[in-house]
Amino acid sequence: EVQLVESGGGLVQPGGSLRLSCAASGFTFSTYAMHWVRQAPGKGLEHVSAVSRDGASTYYPNSVKGRFAISRDNSKNTLYLQMGSLRAEDMAVYYCARDRGAAAGMYYYMDVWGKGTTVTVSS
Amino acid sequence: DIVMTQSPDSLAVSLGERATINCKSSQSVLYSSNSKNYLAWYQQKPGQPPKLLIYWASTRESGVPDRFSGSGSGTDFTLTISSLQAEDVAVYYCQQYYSTPLGFGPGTKVDIK
Repeated sequence: EVQLVESGGGLVQPGGSLRLSCAASGFTFSTYAMHWVRQAPGKGLEHVSAVSRDGASTYYPNSVKGRFAISRDNSKNTLYLQMGSLRAEDMAVYYCARDRGAAAGMYYYMDVWGKGTTVTVSS
Repeated sequence: DIVMTQSPDSLAVSLGERATINCKSSQSVLYSSNSKNYLAWYQQKPGQPPKLLIYWASTRESGVPDRFSGSGSGTDFTLTISSLQAEDVAVYYCQQYYSTPLGFGPGTKVDIK
């Protein structure tokens, strides 16, 4: 069964750091680009980062650029999101998701999603 | 950046009736070299992650019931549920993947009337 399982969420103070993990199983992890997408309480979906199949290329929107870092360990079938300088507006459920696309260097739509891990930013 | 909008914000439809959700992009997501629209639709039920329904604007994901269909091109797109079932109560999002930042619409909530 194709599966993504996130972990690492929790309560962190403003300005603090947190590392999220996403364990992949049931597919050849190294052949897919991967994403992190977040959803603030009662709000819509926001894309926060992407990484290429080999980890060499990453993408961040302006909202998290310089504060978040996505990475992957293909030998461990695991995706990571290192989050720093956390703000109240970063509080959300964070989903990891698999990219369906075929072309290297491009990002497409997301065909497999984890159940998410919750990040709470509060003093 | 491409901005995605959706209408209506919410709608209530009787069981067995048609539900229509609109999605508009601030610029075309049609890639001329392959004539594909870089637009996907997702369904999110309460307490669950999103689920891919449609990609390339009109290609149904494997396992998705054929009452779900996508149409449109360029900047205007539609998700249609031909005969609403109780299990279709959810929020529906469109997403463009024509360019980064990848953008989602704000969502349309579908309920039973």
